[in-house]
Amino acid sequence: DTGVSQDPRHKITKRGQNVTFRCDPISEHNRLYWYRQTLGQGPEFLTYFQNEAQLEKSRLLSDRFSAERPKGSFSTLEIQRTEQGDSAMYLCASSQGVAYGYTFGSGTRLTVV
Amino acid sequence: GESVGLHLPTLSVQEGDNSIINCAYSNSASDYFIWYKQESGKGPQFIIDIRSNMDKRQGQRVTVLLNKTVKHLSLQIAATQPGDSAVYFCAERLRGSARQLTFGSGTQLTVLP
Repeated sequence: DTGVSQDPRHKITKRGQNVTFRCDPISEHNRLYWYRQTLGQGPEFLTYFQNEAQLEKSRLLSDRFSAERPKGSFSTLEIQRTEQGDSAMYLCASSQGVAYGYTFGSGTRLTVV
Repeated sequence: GESVGLHLPTLSVQEGDNSIINCAYSNSASDYFIWYKQESGKGPQFIIDIRSNMDKRQGQRVTVLLNKTVKHLSLQIAATQPGDSAVYFCAERLRGSARQLTFGSGTQLTVLP
């Protein structure tokens, strides 16, 4: 499978716990994006990496959120002290340079109880 | 308490009929547009794209029309099939270094037998 992979597919956590999600982009893609999608809404941009550098962050990305892409390949998104409002689908997408085409993964569905 | 998901615009069509899904985008400086299909529990799946220097682009059973004057995008699906039932999102790519996508509100397409 050469698409974008995300792990886990589902995560249920108690409020206040930390969670970490992983995204493996398409191998030749140097750009990686994280989005969040809540019920009935389109995905909303969270942050963007070009290779290992995190170049842009949305105002949606509070200080409880941190993302890394240490070797310019896979990326992780960590949420500390989760809140019920963090419940959403977290999507990862990748693209190559300024080429046209963004491929999304299947997402990680987070439920905070 | 738990938030209620927003009611998505809906479109119901008979199997075999043509479908037209509309989208108004927000930024006149956007240079690239994509239509995505999203099935329940899955990530957005690419359908067709169009650059801002084009007015129309055709794919297999799908056509995208772009009207930059009124910032309007439409997706036409010919001979709609049951497998086309899903939520459809348009997305625009903003100019700038991140070149992230901004998604419009989705449309729920239901294909009736």
